[in-house]
Amino acid sequence: GQNIDQPTEMTATEGAIVQINCTYQTSGFNGLFWYQQHAGEAPTFLSYNVLDGLEEKGRFSSFLSRSKGYSYLLLKELQMKDSASYLCALYNNNDMRFGAGTRLTVKP
Amino acid sequence: GAVVSQHPSWVICKSGTSVKIECRSLDFQATTMFWYRQFPKQSLMLMATSNEGSKATYEQGVEKDKFLINHASLTLSTLTVTSAHPEDSSFYICSARDMGNNQPQHFGDGTRLSIL
Repeated sequence: GQNIDQPTEMTATEGAIVQINCTYQTSGFNGLFWYQQHAGEAPTFLSYNVLDGLEEKGRFSSFLSRSKGYSYLLLKELQMKDSASYLCALYNNNDMRFGAGTRLTVKP
Repeated sequence: GAVVSQHPSWVICKSGTSVKIECRSLDFQATTMFWYRQFPKQSLMLMATSNEGSKATYEQGVEKDKFLINHASLTLSTLTVTSAHPEDSSFYICSARDMGNNQPQHFGDGTRLSIL
């Protein structure tokens, strides 16, 4: 299996930095993706990693370590609108599996 | 960028009705599309993989006769919930991926299905 684990909930303050972790157990995959999902809406693509290391996209960055089975999504300069669920997903051979998601609440 | 259109957004109907949901890739061709279901405060659960020109691949526990999938063209997949019952009420989302290595999946806006 691909057991994908994320914390269920996190809370952070507006303007701060938050790191959302994702760990997995799988024998191999093509890439690891991060999606944002606001309540009642479909997920939107944020970032993906194929190789180990950090991928930066504006306020959002994602990191992958295949040897450690670990990824994180880093959100900087948090805004109230960043309150949402963040989904980690593994992609392999045209098949994508999602973690349960982390519900982030940003407080003033 | 790639866009996936899903229709309808909302469906409210009586128990026993069959409901068809359409998923279209608007500016790319998709040999494979995916259908997910999401219950409140839960994760996306893959129901089936829709393959253009061939039978869909269903996940374990998903009834293929209950959830009919047709992928008749490279830009359209449909999911029909047959004889829907209240327990089928959920948020159904389709996705598709443009060809090419490590292209992300793009999601439709989802269909909120409520069976009375």
